[in-house]
Amino acid sequence: DSGVTQTPKHLITATGQRVTLRCSPRSGDLSVYWYQQSLDQGLQFLIQYYNGEERAKGNILERFSAQQFPDLHSELNLSSLELGDSALYFCASSVGAVREQYFGPGTRLTVT
Amino acid sequence: ILNVEQSPQSLHVQEGDSTNFTCSFPSSNFYALHWYRWETAKSPEALFVMTLNGDEKKKGRISATLNTKEGYSYLYIKGSQPEDSATYLCAPPSGGSNYKLTFGKGTLLTVNP
Repeated sequence: DSGVTQTPKHLITATGQRVTLRCSPRSGDLSVYWYQQSLDQGLQFLIQYYNGEERAKGNILERFSAQQFPDLHSELNLSSLELGDSALYFCASSVGAVREQYFGPGTRLTVT
Repeated sequence: ILNVEQSPQSLHVQEGDSTNFTCSFPSSNFYALHWYRWETAKSPEALFVMTLNGDEKKKGRISATLNTKEGYSYLYIKGSQPEDSATYLCAPPSGGSNYKLTFGKGTLLTVNP
């Protein structure tokens, strides 16, 4: 158990819908990262927050957004969902840069 | 886009064999290199974060070395066990950010009992 929690574990929704994925980092970790793993793709970095502020952005679609709240939990919002958004979404946390990232169990999103 | 290459793509070894695989990355603007282990149906697990040229780190039977000048890192597993079967990923930060990791496609290791 990494200490990072993600909810829900599984999510099935229809195209065009909007979903919110939630992540609670390890106690004491200020950085939260979001990754996407699609079929036949490796782990793709989406976005990262440090103590409530966005610090780094990957190839995150405009339909996707995230935020980190004062209690340090983070939410990833996916809207206007398409079939291709079906993937495993991981959240990770770390104390800071150049430190190990601890991954949560992931949320498997299926868009039908 | 940062080019991270891992080789081989997959590897089958017998229990007790020692093995190693390679991660190649651009040597310019190096910050750090992360190694992760990813077992099927689980989440990636951090092995090492390496920052200095010539760095060598060890965790049990697994060790890693780093050459930032030539842009490569080796991961070694001594006396492989079936529980070592996993995908091993390396990831340097990219895009001028220490936070934004670019993961390689990994080396899939299968250890046969």
